[in-house]
Amino acid sequence: NAGVTQTPKFRILKIGQSMTLQCTQDMNHNYMYWYRQDPGMGLKLIYYSVGAGITDKGEVPNGYNVSRSTTEDFPLRLELAAPSQTSVYFCASRGTGSSYNSPLHFGNGTRLTVT
Amino acid sequence: GENVEQHPSTLSVQEGDSAVIKCTYSDSASNYFPWYKQELGKRPQLIIDIRSNVGEKKDQRIAVTLNKTAKHFSLHITETQPEDSAVYFCAASRKTHGAGSQGNLIFGKGTKLSVKP
Repeated sequence: NAGVTQTPKFRILKIGQSMTLQCTQDMNHNYMYWYRQDPGMGLKLIYYSVGAGITDKGEVPNGYNVSRSTTEDFPLRLELAAPSQTSVYFCASRGTGSSYNSPLHFGNGTRLTVT
Repeated sequence: GENVEQHPSTLSVQEGDSAVIKCTYSDSASNYFPWYKQELGKRPQLIIDIRSNVGEKKDQRIAVTLNKTAKHFSLHITETQPEDSAVYFCAASRKTHGAGSQGNLIFGKGTKLSVKP
């Protein structure tokens, strides 16, 4: 199993551009998450999904959109990139059941810079 | 709102010494408390976790303690080694509508641990 795979690893965007961060997992996990990590800070939840066709907002959803058309894929869309979205983005997934029995698996992250 | 406070933000110890990192949480509904280790430029990785019905859990040189009444939990690393140098994050589960408290985590800001040989 590859686990959680994120692409691209790095990206530089100009203000106002749009892009999609890709995330796919091959563990048949129902729950998927997008977090952002700013320098010296913890991870903040952007969006999450409890299954195909179901998404919900986390702590910091503004400026982002997600979709979950399949169990495997959970792309994150930035429509009008702003400097405040410069961050490292982590996708994560876990199976159903309690968090204790099915902990989060993180991808390797996407480092995004908006200038 | 719900939050997790983590202290200290940086910690430097000599190899072989112990390291303790403390976290407090605000959501009384939190029932799951994982700790993640993140090496520079890498993904966070789970190192130990504890449920609210357990007071302490050990795994070799790592232990976590939980005081539900006081809403705080701590990570203890004994006999530290240079490879323990990393940023450590605590987290607490957050109740979410429709899915109970299963899965959404609130993270602390992290502790940068440096172990000097």
